[in-house]
Amino acid sequence: NAGVMQNPRHLVRRRGQEARLRCSPMKGHSHVYWYRQLPEEGLKFMVYLQKENIIDESGMPKERFSAEFPKEGPSILRIQQVVRGDSAAYFCASSPSRATYEQYFGPGTRLTVT
Amino acid sequence: LAKTTQPISMDSYEGQEVNITCSHNNIATNDYITWYQQFPSQGPRFIIQGYKTKVTNEVASLFIPADRKSSTLSLPRVSLSDTAVYYCLVGETGGFKTIFGAGTRLFVKA
Repeated sequence: NAGVMQNPRHLVRRRGQEARLRCSPMKGHSHVYWYRQLPEEGLKFMVYLQKENIIDESGMPKERFSAEFPKEGPSILRIQQVVRGDSAAYFCASSPSRATYEQYFGPGTRLTVT
Repeated sequence: LAKTTQPISMDSYEGQEVNITCSHNNIATNDYITWYQQFPSQGPRFIIQGYKTKVTNEVASLFIPADRKSSTLSLPRVSLSDTAVYYCLVGETGGFKTIFGAGTRLFVKA
């Protein structure tokens, strides 16, 4: 059973470009969470999604950031008009049921904005 | 969500037992205590979860006193590969927002 997959693993964008980060949850998992981690800091919750629904996006900046988890395909975290402060590691996690703290994390996408 | 307090860092030597304590004074009745481990450049990995008394698995033990205002993660006979950041989380299983604090950086020396 494959684990949580994220791609790309590394992404470089110039200021003003768009970044799209993909997350494929573990098989059978319908709950997806996105986190951001700045260097030397802990993870910060961004958004929690179920298939086709955003359940909680209270940790996500209101502007430039959006997330989706369509019926088919991976979950997407989209950052428009990236700025240097968006440089971070973005982790996706999945769980099989509604919000157990036992989440399974992917390897992360490291976004660098130049 | 209950706030947690952990030591920022700890040092140990190979073969020793390591105990990392987490304080969570305002833990709620429905809250569970969960610990994660994170290696550099990797996502966190679930270690153990408990509600009260003691929980043990193949990786670690979790000790929770009767008042539940703290918990201790115990790693038996650590090795160099246990060098990582350990996060203590407290919240309601069934709650959907997982809050990670700064964690405890454990450094195991030879």
